[in-house]
Amino acid sequence: DAGVTQSPTHLIKTRGQQVTLRCSPKSGHDTVSWYQQALGQGPQFIFQYYEEEERQRGNFPDRFSGHQFPNYSSELNVNALLLGDSALYLCASKQLGTSGGRGGTGELFFGEGSRLTVL
Amino acid sequence: AQTVTQSQPEMSVQEAETVTLSCTYDTSESDYYLFWYKQPPSRQMILVIRQEAYKQQNATENRFSVNFQKAAKSFSLKISDSQLGDAAMYFCAYRTSETQGGSEKLVFGKGTKLTVNP
Repeated sequence: DAGVTQSPTHLIKTRGQQVTLRCSPKSGHDTVSWYQQALGQGPQFIFQYYEEEERQRGNFPDRFSGHQFPNYSSELNVNALLLGDSALYLCASKQLGTSGGRGGTGELFFGEGSRLTVL
Repeated sequence: AQTVTQSQPEMSVQEAETVTLSCTYDTSESDYYLFWYKQPPSRQMILVIRQEAYKQQNATENRFSVNFQKAAKSFSLKISDSQLGDAAMYFCAYRTSETQGGSEKLVFGKGTKLTVNP
């Protein structure tokens, strides 16, 4: 049973470019959350997707957007990249089932992340 | 807004010894979850242990246990019989409970780097 898989593993972009990161949740999971982890910091919540809709959002600008597909996989898009967007981007999945898009006692599983470097 | 503070950027322990990592948090909510996650060099966050705030009994998972002091808003992690494989970054995290409206957002501390010396 594959866990949470993310691609690409590493990528380098230049300021002003756009990037798309991809996440496949663990089998049986229906919600995906994205986190940004800057060097030497703890992860910060970007947003959560459930039933193909953004359900919760952290304190990130509109340059950060996402999508969830019918197969529960997800993409994180960042436009107009800034140097400060350099970070490890973590995807996490969970089975929410009938908990209404929030909460639930299931365990959250993380992927190994995509390391983005903006030059 | 909830905050999580880990005041020890780095800790070290001898193999087979015991170490305690500290975490404090701030919240106005009465019901919530607290977690300790481990992040080895592979970068994948792994759940170590979880505590539900309404449960007074401290959670235990094999060599890992917590000291949950709700009134003091303190949530420390004790690792007994430390092993070389325990070396990693450890993050304390907070999540709102379903009884408070529910949330999928985890609020993390800045982490503690644990070194295990042979």
